Amino acid sequence: DIQMTQSPSSLSASVGDRVTITCRASQSISNFLNWYQQKPGKAPKLLIYAASSLQSGVPSRFSGSGSGTDFTLTISSLQPEDFAIYYCQQSYSIPSTFGQGTKLEIK
Amino acid sequence: QVQLVQSGAEVKKPGASVKVSCKASGFTFSGYYMHWVRQAPGQGLEWLGWINPNSGDTKYAQKFQGRVTMTRDTSISTAYMELSRLTSDDTAVYYCARDGTGGSCLDYWGQGTLVTVSS
Repeated sequence: DIQMTQSPSSLSASVGDRVTITCRASQSISNFLNWYQQKPGKAPKLLIYAASSLQSGVPSRFSGSGSGTDFTLTISSLQPEDFAIYYCQQSYSIPSTFGQGTKLEIK
Repeated sequence: QVQLVQSGAEVKKPGASVKVSCKASGFTFSGYYMHWVRQAPGQGLEWLGWINPNSGDTKYAQKFQGRVTMTRDTSISTAYMELSRLTSDDTAVYYCARDGTGGSCLDYWGQGTLVTVSS
């Protein structure tokens, strides 16, 4: 199975900050990398698919980049509603696997 | 609008089975694979498998082979996930999620079904 490792596991930031979360795959996954946001008690929400494509309806302050094994999710200017847990997911091979999550908290 | 509505919470005893449903609306059910993902309390996301509603073909994570069965009823646009031989480790929220167009991303999710396994 492909292991997905996110860093950091948790992050404190302030409204207006620029934040970057990293996801590393244990082998090359081309661009088969997706990012989700999850808030307490809610289902995950797709933010970015195919490493860098913004899902319809998602604010443009979210962006993704990378290919192969190293990927990043960037939030250009944090808003209050962005405090949540973020997961990466590889859809390159079965079983699909998720990173352990990055909890983004208010500083 | 796309909606996935799942069945309600379940409490099961160890060794029992559970069957969760996921009713789709707002899109052509047979046109999109449906995935199942679970999340244990306070933990991350774990992929169980997918079903092609058009053909009925399935693909399961090796970890769940022999215990999970995914089916569908196209006449009512509903997917099902049955998990057998339950243990306390299967206590989790189970989600169905539609396979989107961008390389098997999961673009719409059900609200989740809490399955509690307890004696």
